[in-house]
Amino acid sequence: AQTVTQSQPEMSVQEAETVTLSCTYDTSESDYYLFWYKQPPSRQMILVIRQEAYKQQNATENRFSVNFQKAAKSFSLKISDSQLGDAAMYFCAYRSREGNNDMRFGAGTRLTVKP
Amino acid sequence: KAGVTQTPRYLIKTRGQQVTLSCSPISGHRSVSWYQQTPGQGLQFLFEYFSETQRNKGNFPGRFSGRQFSNSRSEMNVSTLELGDSALYLCASSPLLGTGYNEQFFGPGTRLTVL
Repeated sequence: AQTVTQSQPEMSVQEAETVTLSCTYDTSESDYYLFWYKQPPSRQMILVIRQEAYKQQNATENRFSVNFQKAAKSFSLKISDSQLGDAAMYFCAYRSREGNNDMRFGAGTRLTVKP
Repeated sequence: KAGVTQTPRYLIKTRGQQVTLSCSPISGHRSVSWYQQTPGQGLQFLFEYFSETQRNKGNFPGRFSGRQFSNSRSEMNVSTLELGDSALYLCASSPLLGTGYNEQFFGPGTRLTVL
């Protein structure tokens, strides 16, 4: 079964600085999807960025980018120019391309942004 | 478009009771997934419905069930509640089934407390 591991329960960053959140996953599949979701305090979970495994190019969305290392099964999220509004729980998630493609989530990383 | 809505937002029940939670997906979305979120277990997939049929099911006991109506609205039911069922129950909708790249749009959740 696919598992997702986020080894950093908490991270903190100074406003305007850059922070990287780690995620590793375990799978025997070659084609799948990876996601980073953000869950602000008492607010709905929203998609930050996603990556298709067969694409070698790392996805970017404005200040958010990923470092996807397929061989190492690593999918880290980099947040540049951190803002106070980036404070949230961040979840890494894996989804198979085929079969029972339910979303598998990591335990989450709580990001604090210091002014 | 209105987002995913869930009712009720908060619920308090006692052990042994049953509960029904409701989810209205984004208009036009036909896939609805349910997740249980707890501090100890994180986000766990419960089931996914598409066109009124359960397409995927997570590893939860039979006390957890669901259904989807012709207008794509979904309900989940938990019978014989246990203390460990206390959690935030999240509903997510997406336009299609099986295309794992599709973003899932999450609702605000229903906070269930079992006493």
